[in-house]
Amino acid sequence: DIQMTQSPSTLSASVGDRVTITCRASQSINNLLAWYHQKPGTAPKVLIYQTSTLESGVPSRFSGSGSGTEFTLTISSLQPDDFATYYCQQYKVYPYTFGQGTKLEMK
Amino acid sequence: QVRLQESGPGLVKPSQTLSLTCSVSGGAISSGAYYWSWIRQHPGKGLEWIGYIYYSGITYFNPSLKSRVTISVDTSKNQFFLKLNSVTAADTAVYFCARKHCTGGLCYGFFDYWGQGTLVTVSS
Repeated sequence: DIQMTQSPSTLSASVGDRVTITCRASQSINNLLAWYHQKPGTAPKVLIYQTSTLESGVPSRFSGSGSGTEFTLTISSLQPDDFATYYCQQYKVYPYTFGQGTKLEMK
Repeated sequence: QVRLQESGPGLVKPSQTLSLTCSVSGGAISSGAYYWSWIRQHPGKGLEWIGYIYYSGITYFNPSLKSRVTISVDTSKNQFFLKLNSVTAADTAVYFCARKHCTGGLCYGFFDYWGQGTLVTVSS
């Protein structure tokens, strides 16, 4: 299986901050990576797919980049609604695998 | 608007079979336009993809669970199902059903619609 490793595991930030989350794959996944965020008690919601394509309706403050084995999710200016847990997911090969999550908390 | 809704027992005894239903509304499974998956999340942990089914009955499973998993579909009811047998406490998790994103006849491996999830606890 492809292992997906996110860093950091926890990130403390304030409204208005620019934050970046990293996701590393144990082997190349080309650009077949998605990002989700999840709030407690709810399902994950896709933000970005194909590394950098914004899902419909997702604010433009979210952006993604990377290729091969290293990827980043950037939020340009944190909003109160953005405090959540973020997951990356590779869909290059089966079984699809997710990162362990990055909890973005309010400083 | 597509909606997915999981249902099933919230408590299953060890060694028994976990059975869940995902009811889909807002789109027909029989359209053949999408693949339908089960994903689980252990308490406080990350996400684990279990497997998918296509309307025709084609399935693919995570090898880590393949020996214990069955996924089936009933297009007449617009539902698909998960069965996981010989459960242990390690199978305690929130189980989600989800739709794989497809557009213009091309499918990607991420999930654009999810159910709200249902907690299944394995305990005697």
